[in-house]
Amino acid sequence: DGGITQSPKYLFRKEGQNVTLSCEQNLNHDAMYWYRQDPGQGLRLIYYSQIVNDFQKGDIAEGYSVSREKKESFPLTVTSAQKNPTAFYLCASSMSTSSYNEQFFGPGTRLTVL
Amino acid sequence: AQSVAQPEDQVNVAEGNPLTVKCTYSVSGNPYLFWYVQYPNRGLQFLLKYITGDNLVKGSYGFEAEFNKSQTSFHLKKPSALVSDSALYFCAVRDYNGNNRKLIWGLGTSLAVNP
Repeated sequence: DGGITQSPKYLFRKEGQNVTLSCEQNLNHDAMYWYRQDPGQGLRLIYYSQIVNDFQKGDIAEGYSVSREKKESFPLTVTSAQKNPTAFYLCASSMSTSSYNEQFFGPGTRLTVL
Repeated sequence: AQSVAQPEDQVNVAEGNPLTVKCTYSVSGNPYLFWYVQYPNRGLQFLLKYITGDNLVKGSYGFEAEFNKSQTSFHLKKPSALVSDSALYFCAVRDYNGNNRKLIWGLGTSLAVNP
């Protein structure tokens, strides 16, 4: 099966802890993205990566970090500096960041801070 | 400023009736336009896109969208709605002429198809 996997599906974190969300794709896509989704706010871009060992900040990067050591993997770390981390996190990939490429999404991770 | 608007938070339609979900955009160059659907607690699924060419674009699950340059709109349509079409729909746009590697997303429209 080709696609994007995210794990875990649900994640609970205590305040002050860092947590890492996994995203893996086997579509051989160069570009990968992390979005945050909150009710009524649509999708907001956290980070994106055009190629391995490269990534760029999106609109709401503060309190988050990423790495892109392998083409198929783009993990997101939510740090304790993120003031309101409870949200639904979506990972996506596309063939490239060219304007005409559609993005393919994973099933999402719902993070709750206790 | 570049933007995309989905003017209706919610659309209600009876099963079997035609449906329209509206999207308008504002970009500085030629727009690349996309529609995605999200079912509850799931990721987004790509429905269709307009890049160039025919203004009427056909996509997945019987959906289509019409690009209207003069009205800067890209409304999503389906001739006969199904209850299973009930979901959250997102419109997105990218400005072709800019060095813009990001999509601009609408806030979403919740579609409810009543049996």
